[in-house]
Amino acid sequence: QSALTQPASVSGSPGQSITISCTGTSTDVGGYKYVSWYQQHPDRAPQLIIYEVTNRPSGVSNRFSGSKSGDTAFLTVSGLQAEDEADYFCTSYTNIATLVFGGGTKLTVL
Amino acid sequence: QVTLKESGPALVKPTQTLTLACTFSGFSLSTTGMRVSWIRQPPGKPLEWLARIEWDDDKIYSTSLKTRLTISKDTSKNQVVLTMTDMDPGDTATYFCARTRLGTGYAFDIWGQGTKVTVSA
Repeated sequence: QSALTQPASVSGSPGQSITISCTGTSTDVGGYKYVSWYQQHPDRAPQLIIYEVTNRPSGVSNRFSGSKSGDTAFLTVSGLQAEDEADYFCTSYTNIATLVFGGGTKLTVL
Repeated sequence: QVTLKESGPALVKPTQTLTLACTFSGFSLSTTGMRVSWIRQPPGKPLEWLARIEWDDDKIYSTSLKTRLTISKDTSKNQVVLTMTDMDPGDTATYFCARTRLGTGYAFDIWGQGTKVTVSA
């Protein structure tokens, strides 16, 4: 199973919105609602911010939102804040019951 | 409070077998829908999912590493163990265990802090 495709980096100014894409195939992202997103700060464990494409865990800011169209999932971060600067990873369930991660996107807040 | 903590050797030699333990608290792996996965991250690289064990003892492995991995659980000890054979310097990484529970799809809602493993002679 090939890794999901994410842009290597995105950037935005405080207060702006950015969107990160996560492209797979019909055997993973396109075939299931089981796409999740994680935020990872340097030398820290990842933290779940979106599950089942659109759902936010309790305690996660509503500035984070998820969506999906076809084989591509999206993470939008609105009202950018300095603390949002981190790496972001998507993951999806696959047709062979495995999980596959994206290559990760580094978000820089200018 | 749900916690997971990884433990194991910090250094292994090439060709050796790595054994990692994930000791958890705050939930039972006997509960329907509970799952624990192992995930690794080489320095400066993306996350890679390795294996998953489910509440009913079903086990699923990464297709690329399947021949080298074994995952097991000891419910009485609240522990999940991963073994990886024939270690190579390319397996140098931080290894995480993470929980998945019913109602969150296959998302990892709680992660351990990770344990760094270096493969070197």
